Amino acid sequence: SAVISQKPSRDICQRGTSLTIQCQVDSQVTMMFWYRQQPGQSLTLIATANQGSEATYESGFVIDKFPISRPNLTFSTLTVSNLSPEDSSIYLCSLKGGWRGSTDTQYFGPGTRLTVL
Amino acid sequence: GENVEQHPSTLSVQEGDSAVIKCTYSDSASNYFPWYKQELGKGPQLIIDIRSNVGEKKDQRIAVTLNKTAKHFSLHITETQPEDSAVYFCAASRAGAGSYQLTFGKGTKLSVIP
Repeated sequence: SAVISQKPSRDICQRGTSLTIQCQVDSQVTMMFWYRQQPGQSLTLIATANQGSEATYESGFVIDKFPISRPNLTFSTLTVSNLSPEDSSIYLCSLKGGWRGSTDTQYFGPGTRLTVL
Repeated sequence: GENVEQHPSTLSVQEGDSAVIKCTYSDSASNYFPWYKQELGKGPQLIIDIRSNVGEKKDQRIAVTLNKTAKHFSLHITETQPEDSAVYFCAASRAGAGSYQLTFGKGTKLSVIP
């Protein structure tokens, strides 16, 4: 069974709607992140999901477009709001710290492939 | 901030041959360098990492070398197999329990020809 799971694995959405992606980890972790990977591109950090407080967003990403929740140390959600075709990407949950012993090693979930029509 | 350059962007090798992917970084404070393999339709998988207190690390057919002076590190895959075909990403960051972020290279698409 997977130790990092994401739901849904893929979705096709209409423009103007929103999609919420869930990330579940099988044990407590210190840090959780959300990344975007546009088609054929590298990984871009959207934000750090902070447990019990507002997420920390990277330059170019805002809370209104990418609201994030992290109610506990094993779960986080990313919502992509007001979808446009430019949002078609793979969205990846990532974590490090307090899991498998290393504070540096970062692991990724299987990703959510979003297509916006 | 950190900048990571990765070369080549695509690489084709015959099965059984070796493959080498090279990365350079700009921030001399970076001291943690992981490599990820991403197969089609999957998330990146950590395959090996190295810290700046060592110059080389091996794990079966995979090895990573680091030259701190020149600020470059490389991934070496020996005896390549078709299942090695994937996109490989290098990354760099500062190590530690703080919120240091990984900076990724643009990726190398490796094709192993049977």
